[in-house]
Amino acid sequence: GAVVSQHPSWVICKSGTSVKIECRSLDFQATTMFWYRQFPKQSLMLMATSNEGSKATYEQGVEKDKFLINHASLTLSTLTVTSAHPEDSSFYICSAREFVTYNEQFFGPGTRLTVL
Amino acid sequence: GQNIDQPTEMTATEGAIVQINCTYQTSGFNGLFWYQQHAGEAPTFLSYNVLDGLEEKGRFSSFLSRSKGYSYLLLKELQMKDSASYLCAVRGGDSGGYQKVTFGTGTKLQVIP
Repeated sequence: GAVVSQHPSWVICKSGTSVKIECRSLDFQATTMFWYRQFPKQSLMLMATSNEGSKATYEQGVEKDKFLINHASLTLSTLTVTSAHPEDSSFYICSAREFVTYNEQFFGPGTRLTVL
Repeated sequence: GQNIDQPTEMTATEGAIVQINCTYQTSGFNGLFWYQQHAGEAPTFLSYNVLDGLEEKGRFSSFLSRSKGYSYLLLKELQMKDSASYLCAVRGGDSGGYQKVTFGTGTKLQVIP
């Protein structure tokens, strides 16, 4: 099956610093990638949808200047949390979808961000 | 917007059958998904329904009734490893063509010996 990787798997940073999370589709071309955030005991909340080569579409309430998304190639998307604060601590999960298997999203293993 | 409702927790016995229900409200319905998520891990895809009826895949089956805004996930011959959260997700959107997948809060299933 299709594999999506995320790096890093976990990160601890100081308040005010920026953190970049990478999402890669390893064996398929991801025309669309999604970024989710999940707080403890809550469901996945879609943050943004990105299509390769175009600007990301952010969900209502998600600050695009704080959560920078770049989908520069068909296998890589990055999420940068700028000037992170403790309330940004969460589990960030990306998923990818290829054109052929449109109905299925393949999820990465997630990145646990802790901001001190 | 989209509204998805599923029970918070369920408990079932190893070897038994359990049904997890999901009700939803959305405009422009274009598919319902079930995912399994173990604690601290990312979700894994289980099933996809877009037409009414039952989809069977091994020990797991998923049912959809679009007129009732209702789906269920049926797990047979429960195993201890089936203890996880099961997420119902609906794809829908507005008439403008932008569609997104919205996840329910998940049902935490505990399988006991």
